Amino acid sequence: AQSVTQLDSQVPVFEEAPVELRCNYSSSVSVYLFWYVQYPNQGLQLLLKYLSGSTLVKGINGFEAEFNKSQTSFHLRKPSVHISDTAEYFCAVSINYGQNFVFGPGTRLSVLP
Amino acid sequence: DVKVTQSSRYLVKRTGEKVFLECVQDMDHENMFWYRQDPGLGLRLIYFSYDVKMKEKGDIPEGYSVSREKKERFSLILESASTNQTSMYLCASTSGGEYGYTFGSGTRLTVV
Repeated sequence: AQSVTQLDSQVPVFEEAPVELRCNYSSSVSVYLFWYVQYPNQGLQLLLKYLSGSTLVKGINGFEAEFNKSQTSFHLRKPSVHISDTAEYFCAVSINYGQNFVFGPGTRLSVLP
Repeated sequence: DVKVTQSSRYLVKRTGEKVFLECVQDMDHENMFWYRQDPGLGLRLIYFSYDVKMKEKGDIPEGYSVSREKKERFSLILESASTNQTSMYLCASTSGGEYGYTFGSGTRLTVV
């Protein structure tokens, strides 16, 4: 079965510091890759996605992610976080370009003043 | 923008009640999904549907059923609610894998 791993369940970071949230997936077939953000008591919102082409993808709110095929990774980064970035972040994979996704367990980012 | 609307943000029901969670999307998406989200367990797929009157079991269908009589509406039914079904329920839709999912705001269900 396909799986998505987010190694860090919680990441605390000070405001204006850089952050990286890690995502690895297990798939030898072609995939689409996504990062979603969930603010408290809300649904998930799409941050960014990788379909093809350039391996560096830019998303909303200053986030970016890099696709690394050899390492089957899709890590999310932001050079300077804000208090408002405090949320849970989910990595997701669409296997074989299909409409069924596999979600990672999530990483809770806490930005401290 | 695509909108996925879940009828209730918060719901409290008694054990044994039949519970209906409604989800409506306004962009003619073929594919709709129901997930539950619990702390430490992430998102778990309950049921999904690729078309009207079509349904497929996800990873945790026990205790749930679904209905898709119209393309825009996908209902999740708890036939006899139990306390272990207390959870956040998320509905999502998509027209294809490359577009990602659009999620509703979620329904936080408490069964007492």
